[in-house]
Amino acid sequence: KNQVEQSPQSLIILEGKNCTLQCNYTVSPFSNLRWYKQDTGRGPVSLTIMTFSENTKSNGRYTATLDADTKQSSLHITASQLSDSASYICVVSARETGANNLFFGTGTRLTVIP
Amino acid sequence: DTEVTQTPKHLVMGMTNKKSLKCEQHMGHRAMYWYKQKAKKPPELMFVYSYEKLSINESVPSRFSPECPNSSLLNLHLHALQPEDSALYLCASSQHTSDSHNEKLFFGSGTQLSVL
Repeated sequence: KNQVEQSPQSLIILEGKNCTLQCNYTVSPFSNLRWYKQDTGRGPVSLTIMTFSENTKSNGRYTATLDADTKQSSLHITASQLSDSASYICVVSARETGANNLFFGTGTRLTVIP
Repeated sequence: DTEVTQTPKHLVMGMTNKKSLKCEQHMGHRAMYWYKQKAKKPPELMFVYSYEKLSINESVPSRFSPECPNSSLLNLHLHALQPEDSALYLCASSQHTSDSHNEKLFFGSGTQLSVL
């Protein structure tokens, strides 16, 4: 069964600190893995997309890693800011045609406090 | 223009009302999507249009009726909804469909729907 699991479910950190969010998946055959940031009541915004051959990808203070062998990904946020408070969703794409091939995790709710 | 625009942002409707949600993009994307998202849950795919033709219908009740008048517009017609249909409805688009390698999905800000 294709599944995407994220941990922790929620996280509270102090402004300026770093944090790491985890994503484990069982999606097969794997195509790519995406991290999205979603503010409450808004649509998700893409942070990174990684394919099988990519181990790491950065977007400003966000760095995603991918281990396709263990089927794990992480999103590292450096020097957190209040505006980083949001849900972070891991989405894995399966290499299938003509089907719903995007599998969403349930997200990690991050709260950055001053 | 890299935006997916959804209107209205908020909608309150009764169970006997008929309303429509609208979505528009001018990025030349040929795939457009409707997702439903309940609070603290991930988005759930409802419909996919590829090249203006319905390609995926995830067993959505007929009280939700999608329409793709042209490659830039996507509507979702609502009729006789139930209170449990209250959710954030997200529109998204991509260059082709999510079949494509590295296909990037652009989401709108959503319509927050409340059914009374």
